[in-house]
Amino acid sequence: DAGVIQSPRHEVTEMGQEVTLRCKLISGHNSLFWYRQTMMRGLELLIYFNNNVPIDDSGMPEDRFSAKMPNASFSTLKIQPSEPRDSAVYFCASSTGTSGFFGPGTRLTVL
Amino acid sequence: GQQVMQIPQYQHVQEGEDFTTYCNSSTTLSNIQWYKQRPGGHPVFLIQLVKSGEVKKQKRLTFQFGEAKKNSSLHITATQTTDVGTYFCAKNYGGSQGNLIFGKGTKLSVKP
Repeated sequence: DAGVIQSPRHEVTEMGQEVTLRCKLISGHNSLFWYRQTMMRGLELLIYFNNNVPIDDSGMPEDRFSAKMPNASFSTLKIQPSEPRDSAVYFCASSTGTSGFFGPGTRLTVL
Repeated sequence: GQQVMQIPQYQHVQEGEDFTTYCNSSTTLSNIQWYKQRPGGHPVFLIQLVKSGEVKKQKRLTFQFGEAKKNSSLHITATQTTDVGTYFCAKNYGGSQGNLIFGKGTKLSVKP
């Protein structure tokens, strides 16, 4: 099993551009989480899916952020338009319900 | 709110000294999970505690869940440089399917 896969690993973009982060879950895991990590705010939960359905998106900063889970193994997090304050490491994690498995993260820099 | 509070935020120890981080919740927890994140890495699951008063050990790491299921601790005996990283506790929120809310973490540095 390859674990949770995220792409890209690094993204540098200019303010105003659209950014799409991708995540492939571990097969058989039914929960998917997107987190954002910064020095100031720590590890923040953005959105949580269970069985492909968004359960809690209260952590999504604003309408510029959107997440989809078109099937049981794949999810995207889109930021449009991006802003410098969106710079962070974005993790996705999948879960069996008893433990979470994190991907390696995408380090996003918005200039 | 729904947060779990972790203390201390930072801990600097000499190699060989012990280390403890504490996690507290204002509400009763169904379970608590612990993760370790190495510098530049991603959080890695260590353990889940479910039962009141539960104590689990992994080599030099001892995990405890309070009797009231509102607090937990991670204790490392005789720290080594390989223990460096940030230790997070995480609580389930929103039911058994595991919405994970993380504490701010305790960043451990070990001086050789």
